[in-house]
Amino acid sequence: GQNIDQPTEMTATEGAIVQINCTYQTSGFNGLFWYQQHAGEAPTFLSYNVLDGLEEKGRFSSFLSRSKGYSYLLLKELQMKDSASYLCAVMDSNYQLIWGAGTKLIIKP
Amino acid sequence: ETGVTQTPRHLVMGMTNKKSLKCEQHLGHNAMYWYKQSAKKPLELMFVYSLEERVENNSVPSRFSPECPNSSHLFLHLHTLQPEDSALYLCASSQEWYGSGQETQYFGPGTRLLVL
Repeated sequence: GQNIDQPTEMTATEGAIVQINCTYQTSGFNGLFWYQQHAGEAPTFLSYNVLDGLEEKGRFSSFLSRSKGYSYLLLKELQMKDSASYLCAVMDSNYQLIWGAGTKLIIKP
Repeated sequence: ETGVTQTPRHLVMGMTNKKSLKCEQHLGHNAMYWYKQSAKKPLELMFVYSLEERVENNSVPSRFSPECPNSSHLFLHLHTLQPEDSALYLCASSQEWYGSGQETQYFGPGTRLLVL
């Protein structure tokens, strides 16, 4: 079966750095997405990786290793507004998005 | 209005009611999606439409019936639902269903549904 694993919950301190990991087993691979979802709101697109390596976008970076079935989202200079759930999703060979259950990130002052 | 909008934002219905959820996208996209989001579970894809034709139907019970009258609008018709259908229903759109890296999906705010 297809599976996306990410930690259920993480806690970090304002101003610090946090890394949210995602591992996947899917039938084929056509890219990996990270989304942010604040409580009661829509998921919003953060990043897309299809090639190995690091993609940097401001305070957020996303890394992919296709051979290891692994990605991480790196958040720097954490702010209170970064408290949210972070969703990892992989597009399989049928171009269907397979979603993880999300990682709830709690930022403490 | 910009992006993806959904109405209503909240809905309470009995098991014998019939209701419809509406989604509208203002992005000029060709693909639209319905998802179900339950607490602490992954998003579940329900339906995909590409250029107004249904291309995916992931074993969804027949009490959920989608309709896509044009590329900007998507409906989800609900009838004789069960309490376990209570969830957040999200609509999304993308430029294309697949191809050339244009599959990034943009979500609406969702309809919070409670079935009593």
